[in-house]
Amino acid sequence: QSVLTQPPSVSAAPGQKVTISCSGSSSNIGNNYVSWYQQFPGTAPKVLIYDNYKRPSEIPDRFSGSKSGTSATLGIAGLQTGDEADYYCESWDDSLNVALFGGGTKLTAL
Amino acid sequence: EVQLLESGGGLVQPGGSLRLSCAASGFTFSIYAMSWVRQAPGKGLEWVSSVSGSSDIINYADSVKGRFTISRDNSKNTLYLQMNSLRGEDTAVYYCTKGRQLLDNWGQGTLVTVSS
Repeated sequence: QSVLTQPPSVSAAPGQKVTISCSGSSSNIGNNYVSWYQQFPGTAPKVLIYDNYKRPSEIPDRFSGSKSGTSATLGIAGLQTGDEADYYCESWDDSLNVALFGGGTKLTAL
Repeated sequence: EVQLLESGGGLVQPGGSLRLSCAASGFTFSIYAMSWVRQAPGKGLEWVSSVSGSSDIINYADSVKGRFTISRDNSKNTLYLQMNSLRGEDTAVYYCTKGRQLLDNWGQGTLVTVSS
């Protein structure tokens, strides 16, 4: 059971916007940066968002991140079928001294 | 270009040991923390351990504490994970990653299977 809570799955039609939530606590998301990773089947994860909202240069601006209190949100605008993947949030936990991942969210473009 | 190349995975019996290696290139290895993350078949990501650039700060997940040891050789740009007393639940793809809180580069992973 993950300490960071994500919905197991989300779906939306191509072209629409979808959001994925990540809920934690004051010892992790509430006091540390959040990162988001995208993983396609059989491949290694890739960072999409870091420091709550920043994007690596190669990531399109359709992907966005935000944080409020002990929760974070990944947004994907203009959904494409190629965005179908698993998405994970991650944050450091100061009480446990470990990095925590959410359980992952499978995104489906209907 | 950052490259992380894991090796050392394979089939091992319960109670056995295995040492994973990760050869790093494309960045100044000694100044970055490094981590291991694993993924059991069909499951999510699980952080395993991190080590600071100078090896003075090391952290472990409770699930591996006392059984796994992370280390690094900055002269060889190589990260290691010594895994002892392996259990079935340690079966996973093990990824070498650059960073500690932000894991900004990942290797392709190496599969560890613990089974008799």
